[in-house]
Amino acid sequence: DAKTTQPPSMDCAEGRAANLPCNHSTISGNEYVYWYRQIHSQGPQYIIHGLKNNETNEMASLIITEDRKSSTLILPHATLRDTAVYYCIVRVLESNTGKLIFGQGTTLQVKP
Amino acid sequence: NAGVTQTPKFRVLKTGQSMTLLCAQDMNHEYMYWYRQDPGMGLRLIHYSVGEGTTAKGEVPDGYNVSRLKKQNFLLGLESAAPSQTSVYFCASSRPYFNTEAFFGQGTRLTVV
Repeated sequence: DAKTTQPPSMDCAEGRAANLPCNHSTISGNEYVYWYRQIHSQGPQYIIHGLKNNETNEMASLIITEDRKSSTLILPHATLRDTAVYYCIVRVLESNTGKLIFGQGTTLQVKP
Repeated sequence: NAGVTQTPKFRVLKTGQSMTLLCAQDMNHEYMYWYRQDPGMGLRLIHYSVGEGTTAKGEVPDGYNVSRLKKQNFLLGLESAAPSQTSVYFCASSRPYFNTEAFFGQGTRLTVV
């Protein structure tokens, strides 16, 4: 079963920041939070990941709460090309498999 | 870099036919995964492999078999295709460290009629 909960859909105005929330209240202490996105049923594209510290790369920022039970993906200046399904994933450590268990994701619609 | 390559990209099968989907990665990754995605849903794990010669079941393994004879290749087989296996299939690979990303292929769209 997915270990994350996300809102099914969100809208964002082009040029504004998109803030996508995720709850992962059952996350274990050494499990990472990953974010991927999927555009038009293409293969999922990696965005960012983190353990407990906030992370930033050229695509986005990841804010993880101190208790690690939730996180927020921030796209600082959303464009129309950021319209996609965004998946928040906890990478499962059991049996050293590193499985990515997907939930339903959030459909982000960036509007002009 | 090719990354993760899936073959074929599209296929139509008749019920009862068999086929093999090939996933090839050129990144020397130990871990490989097969997922399926049905319309409007997230990806579900079918089978995975943590190294050459080893495979294991995921969330939805029934009706599928896999083999990892070479480190760079992960094969997904359908012995007797059913309409319920109509889906988009994705392969992924990663290094055996949980703080590294997994790379996905572009998918195989399979229709069983």
